[in-house]
Amino acid sequence: AQSVTQLGSHVSVSEGALVLLRCNYSSSVPPYLFWYVQYPNQGLQLLLKYTSAATLVKGINGFEAEFKKSETSFHLTKPSAHMSDAAEYFCAVSAPGRRALTFGSGTRLQVQP
Amino acid sequence: GAVVSQHPSRVICKSGTSVKIECRSLDFQATTMFWYRQFPKQSLMLMATSNEGSKATYEQGVEKDKFLINHASLTLSTLTVTSAHPEDSSFYICSARQDKTGLAGGDTQYFGPGTRLTVL
Repeated sequence: AQSVTQLGSHVSVSEGALVLLRCNYSSSVPPYLFWYVQYPNQGLQLLLKYTSAATLVKGINGFEAEFKKSETSFHLTKPSAHMSDAAEYFCAVSAPGRRALTFGSGTRLQVQP
Repeated sequence: GAVVSQHPSRVICKSGTSVKIECRSLDFQATTMFWYRQFPKQSLMLMATSNEGSKATYEQGVEKDKFLINHASLTLSTLTVTSAHPEDSSFYICSARQDKTGLAGGDTQYFGPGTRLTVL
């Protein structure tokens, strides 16, 4: 079974500050990991994914995440927050043979001017 | 890029009626589609896995007779909420897994924009 824990349901940063959204996973097999962003009343957009290649994954909109097996983490970062980054962010995990995604509870990012 | 559409985007219905939601992959084939439900300020919960040409696989606790899924083609899956009640009001989101060979489990899912169902 797999699970995802996102620490912090709300994160607030100032515009231009570092964004760090935390995600820890639990999986009995090597996982595939994803970060999605959701804007109000919209579906989910893929930011980036890890599928056992490079541990540092670069995504869209300047986001990146690093897979750390020893820490079972896949934290999402962005060096400089922009107002348009304000949204809900979901970390998700899947495993070979299990095609559906298991989502974390989500983190709402607020960007203060 | 891969695009998934959902129709309608918003629906309001009376209690006891049935509502059909369509999920289409517009520029790729998807043998497998997924239906999720999202309550306000909560995460997505998988309801069922829709497989083209075969019966859907429902998650534990999801009533298959209430949430009818039909995956009629490689680009279309429908979710019908039968005899809807106010507690069925929610945001329903579908996703489609792009068919690829040589990959297992790590394929990207593309999400539709969601359908907000309100049952009065």
